[in-house]
Amino acid sequence: GAVVSQHPSWVICKSGTSVKIECRSLDFQATTMFWYRQFPKQSLMLMATSNEGSKATYEQGVEKDKFLINHASLTLSTLTVTSAHPEDSSFYICSASKGRNQPQHFGDGTRLSIL
Amino acid sequence: AQSVTQLDSHVSVSEGTPVLLRCNYSSSYSPSLFWYVQHPNKGLQLLLKYTSAATLVKGINGFEAEFKKSETSFHLTKPSAHMSDAAEYFCVVSDPPGDSSYKLIFGSGTRLLVRP
Repeated sequence: GAVVSQHPSWVICKSGTSVKIECRSLDFQATTMFWYRQFPKQSLMLMATSNEGSKATYEQGVEKDKFLINHASLTLSTLTVTSAHPEDSSFYICSASKGRNQPQHFGDGTRLSIL
Repeated sequence: AQSVTQLDSHVSVSEGTPVLLRCNYSSSYSPSLFWYVQHPNKGLQLLLKYTSAATLVKGINGFEAEFKKSETSFHLTKPSAHMSDAAEYFCVVSDPPGDSSYKLIFGSGTRLLVRP
């Protein structure tokens, strides 16, 4: 149990376009979902935390108008990278938690390449 | 503030020999500590977690870690490495402590290489 699916797994797009990444909890209800960014050979950095039905809480230095997060249901959160540029190229990973003091379950990540 | 430091960026072992991946933590409270593994282009899998119960924590795939308060360490070990263990390993602390559903703070990672 506790499977998190992320889609797409890989996306390549032109500079200036917007890209949407989906994160779904397949067999549980996720009250909280998290979005991380990982640069090559580096660790994961938390971008934002989203609770179902609420606005996301962004970490310091993360542009909320650039990275739009929606958590409209207990099984789906989306991250939209707006007007993407080459410096936004990275590996984006989501995780989901069933509730307080419950572990985070991670998706397989999305590799985003902006040309 | 909570933080973790992974002392080695790369560790190389021969198949069948022991594995030791080192992690030190800094915390104002009794911390909640985790080890995660990441295979290439994949998400993270939880190996084990410490939440102030037994100091020796057993995880999946034969891994275990020992919480040592006097040394502020939480090193990951395995008696005998397999080729499939080759991956990136992250030592993680939760903030606030005890609430793994909240913010996770990741160490810089240790890449484990397993030689045939």
